[in-house]
Amino acid sequence: LAKTTQPISMDSYEGQEVNITCSHNNIATNDYITWYQQFPSQGPRFIIQGYKTKVTNEVASLFIPADRKSSTLSLPRVSLSDTAVYYCLVYSGAGSYQLTFGKGTKLSVIP
Amino acid sequence: GAGVSQSPRYKVAKRGQDVALRCDPISGHVSLFWYQQALGQGPEFLTYFQNEAQLDKSGLPSDRFFAERPEGSVSTLKIQRTQQEDSAVYLCASTGLGNYEQYFGPGTRLTVT
Repeated sequence: LAKTTQPISMDSYEGQEVNITCSHNNIATNDYITWYQQFPSQGPRFIIQGYKTKVTNEVASLFIPADRKSSTLSLPRVSLSDTAVYYCLVYSGAGSYQLTFGKGTKLSVIP
Repeated sequence: GAGVSQSPRYKVAKRGQDVALRCDPISGHVSLFWYQQALGQGPEFLTYFQNEAQLDKSGLPSDRFFAERPEGSVSTLKIQRTQQEDSAVYLCASTGLGNYEQYFGPGTRLTVT
């Protein structure tokens, strides 16, 4: 499984756009990039998944360059409720479909 | 419909006691996963079921850990002779067949004293 590297923590003011970049240099051809969000005392929650270029949903956008060795999760106009840990994962979709989490990025949104 | 539920939400056990943690997945979800999350860390995979079959148990840390899903719905994670290093949050997740998005429960926080 490809290892991911992302910043340990980030701070942002309310209303700003937040970009969290993740590197996954050893990503395989069949791997997808997946992001999960986790609030304190809750289980992780799926945010977005992509293979290449750009994916957008009602919560976030995911940008993946052509070489797929990194990806950027973009959260538009964050609010205090976006304070959470964000995990970047490489998902192979093969075998047991287990998710391999790193330590994630703790995002703190400041009023 | 209801999401994944886990019980109990909190469990305190004395070292050496056995514990059983329950997971009720989303109805109809074929796949079920157990993860262990230590404080300040990301969740770590323990085991995976497809229906009642345990297809992967490579993440179970020792033979004191045992999981079952006898009827392909509710699952129980059992830890025998608990140790202090077993203190963690135990998360359960489920997903439909062929679906990549895992739905997590709130977890059970186990504290071994």
